[in-house]
Amino acid sequence: DAKTTQPNSMESNEEEPVHLPCNHSTISGTDYIHWYRQLPSQGPEYVIHGLTSNVNNRMASLAIAEDRKSSTLILHRATLRDAAVYYCILSLAGNTDKLIFGTGTRLQVFP
Amino acid sequence: SAVISQKPSRDICQRGTSLTIQCQVDSQVTMMFWYRQQPGQSLTLIATANQGSEATYESGFVIDKFPISRPNLTFSTLTVSNMSPEDSSIYLCSVAIDYNEQFFGPGTRLTVL
Repeated sequence: DAKTTQPNSMESNEEEPVHLPCNHSTISGTDYIHWYRQLPSQGPEYVIHGLTSNVNNRMASLAIAEDRKSSTLILHRATLRDAAVYYCILSLAGNTDKLIFGTGTRLQVFP
Repeated sequence: SAVISQKPSRDICQRGTSLTIQCQVDSQVTMMFWYRQQPGQSLTLIATANQGSEATYESGFVIDKFPISRPNLTFSTLTVSNMSPEDSSIYLCSVAIDYNEQFFGPGTRLTVL
């Protein structure tokens, strides 16, 4: 399974944008890039996913490098509720059963 | 989307005993999974619970230690057998509605003394 690398932790102030990076240099052409987050004392929740093009939804944006070896999750205006561990995960197209979680990035948001 | 409940939400057990964790989904789903999250760690996939057949286990997990049942498309159980303190973890079930998103239950926090 292709591996992802994320910083262990990041900090942000409330109302500011946050850019969470993820490196996946061994990504294959059929791997989708998924982001999940885990709020304290909860199960993970889906944030966004993409293949090649940048993606936007109500929670976040996903910017994917042209060579697909890295991606960035963008929270446009961080809130205190966004404090969580964010996981960048690769999975084969049509095969979300193989969600292999890495160590993730712990995001702290300060008021 | 899917709403997932797990029972019990937490338990404290003695070593050598077994605990069965239940996972209930509010709709029929094809794919159901069990994960373990050890203290301060990320999630590790234990197995895929297959309806009508034996579960598919990931490397490092075996059926004798973590037997799984999947009697229908809305329910599954995971048993942690012959427990030791090293089994103290949060156990989570998840389901996939389509190929792009998994929904996770709230988890069962297990402490083994």
